[in-house]
Amino acid sequence: EAGVAQSPRYKIIEKRQSVAFWCNPISGHATLYWYQQILGQGPKLLIQFQNNGVVDDSQLPKDRFSAERLKGVDSTLKIQPAKLEDSAVYLCASSLWGGDNEKLFFGSGTQLSVL
Amino acid sequence: EDQVTQSPEALRLQEGESSSLNCSYTVSGLRGLFWYRQDPGKGPEFLFTLYSAGEEKEKERLKATLTKKESFLHITAPKPEDSATYLCAVQSSARQLTFGSGTQLTVLP
Repeated sequence: EAGVAQSPRYKIIEKRQSVAFWCNPISGHATLYWYQQILGQGPKLLIQFQNNGVVDDSQLPKDRFSAERLKGVDSTLKIQPAKLEDSAVYLCASSLWGGDNEKLFFGSGTQLSVL
Repeated sequence: EDQVTQSPEALRLQEGESSSLNCSYTVSGLRGLFWYRQDPGKGPEFLFTLYSAGEEKEKERLKATLTKKESFLHITAPKPEDSATYLCAVQSSARQLTFGSGTQLTVLP
């Protein structure tokens, strides 16, 4: 079974530039998540999709971050403009239906460095 | 606000030296407590879900237990390949998942 695919693996940009990350979840998984993991911390949820719709984006800095999930499959997360504090690993995860106690499958993440 | 605190932050063990990792939590309406393993450069990988106080689950050298305020991950006779960061997370009644900062485990041969 193929896992969650993310690209790119690494990205280095200067502050105020824009950047986009891509995620392809496990086939058949309805729920997709984007997490931010700052070095030394646990993952923090940015946004959760159920098929095409947003379930939770309460912790997404909407003035600079945006995300979409077209056709309920792939997703992109964009940052515009980036700040130094956005340096982190951006993890995509998926699950079957987003229900209680459901385990998440994570991709390997995109490591973003903002200089 | 849900909170998860893991201790210690880092732990170094000799191969075969058993120990425990702690995860203490405050959550509004616990739906489940999760343990994940994270290797360097990888995303977290699911280990266990615990649902209620008194529950225990085992996988190879790992055993997870749950009380009303904390969970323990016991590692029996660890091997170098058990070296990783172990993350604890709780799911609240609002279905939000809150992660702790993890315990970085190093097992020396």
